[in-house]
Amino acid sequence: DAGVIQSPRHEVTEMGQEVTLRCKPISGHDYLFWYRQTMMRGLELLIYFNNNVPIDDSGMPEDRFSAKMPNASFSTLKIQPSEPRDSAVYFCASGSSGTYEQYFGPGTRLTVT
Amino acid sequence: SQQGEEDPQALSIQEGENATMNCSYKTSINNLQWYRQNSGRGLVHLILIRSNEREKHSGRLRVTLDTSKKSSSLLITASRAADTASYFCATAGSYQLTFGKGTKLSVIP
Repeated sequence: DAGVIQSPRHEVTEMGQEVTLRCKPISGHDYLFWYRQTMMRGLELLIYFNNNVPIDDSGMPEDRFSAKMPNASFSTLKIQPSEPRDSAVYFCASGSSGTYEQYFGPGTRLTVT
Repeated sequence: SQQGEEDPQALSIQEGENATMNCSYKTSINNLQWYRQNSGRGLVHLILIRSNEREKHSGRLRVTLDTSKKSSSLLITASRAADTASYFCATAGSYQLTFGKGTKLSVIP
């Protein structure tokens, strides 16, 4: 299995631009999680899905952030418009019902200038 | 909010020594997990201990859980240079995890 796949690995954009991060979970997993990691705040859960349905989005910092999961093999996290304080590493992770372990992707390092 | 808090924040040891990291948390949990993160990489799951377990082993890893004190420890025995990484505890009430800020372990060859 290829593991969780994220793209792009690095993204540099200017303030005000739209950013879309993509994630392909491990096949067969029914949970998908989006996290943000910064030095100041550590690893924060933004939103998670179960069977493609958003369960808890209380971690999404602002309305500028949105996430979708149109099918079991694809999810996106969109930031519009982006701001310099959104600079962070964004991780996607997937997991399976009945177990609690999460499998993380390599992350997308976002820099907003 | 960050529920797990690791201690120490950073630890430097010689290869072959044991490394112990601690984690404290605030609310009741279903299980507690430890993850490793190498620099510039994603987190990797190491071990899970359920709330009704007190100790668990996996290879050179030993995890303890004391629910009365709301604390856990991770012991890595006979450390290797390749163990250099950040280690995070994560508490789970359900499928949602809450991570601490991690312990940065450096193993000197």
